[in-house]
Amino acid sequence: AQSVTQPDIHITVSEGASLELRCNYSYGATPYLFWYVQSPGQGLQLLLKYFSGDTLVQGIKGFEAEFKRSQSSFNLRKPSVHWSDAAEYFCAAQKGNGQNFVFGPGTRLSVLP
Amino acid sequence: DGGITQSPKYLFRKEGQNVTLSCEQNLNHDAMYWYRQDPGQGLRLIYYSQIVNDFQKGDIAEGYSVSREKKESFPLTVTSAQKNPTAFYLCASSAGTGREQYFGPGTRLTVT
Repeated sequence: AQSVTQPDIHITVSEGASLELRCNYSYGATPYLFWYVQSPGQGLQLLLKYFSGDTLVQGIKGFEAEFKRSQSSFNLRKPSVHWSDAAEYFCAAQKGNGQNFVFGPGTRLSVLP
Repeated sequence: DGGITQSPKYLFRKEGQNVTLSCEQNLNHDAMYWYRQDPGQGLRLIYYSQIVNDFQKGDIAEGYSVSREKKESFPLTVTSAQKNPTAFYLCASSAGTGREQYFGPGTRLTVT
């Protein structure tokens, strides 16, 4: 079955430190891949997306993600975390043939001052 | 401003009552979706619609109903048959399959 996993339920980093959130997918072929961020009590905001081409994708708020086919991964990174980055982060995948999104369970990011 | 609106932000109902959550978009998107989110969990798809007057069940459609009479509107009714309706409900839209989804701000429903 198609699935998206985010191995880390909760991550805590210090402000200014680098960040990497992990995402792995299980699909027969490479799906379209997305990262979303959700602040408490809010909707989801799209950070970035990967459809094809360059495997390093730039997004909003200084985030980037790298697609690695060999590892079935699409990890999200940020070189220097700000306190406002504290939120829940969701990885999602879609087959692109009319099938729906599959969301990962989310990773909650806490930022220490 | 283009976007998705959901109303109300908070909704309280007594057990046994049906309740309808509103979702409107002015992005001219064909596809619309309803998700349910419970504390500490990801998103689960309730219903989706890829075109006006057509919709399909998602993974957890039991106890819910929808309509899609207009392109911009996709209301969700939580019926009394839904055993555990208290949750955060998110509406989304996309230009079509294989395209990113855009989300509304959500409605928190509490049933007592």
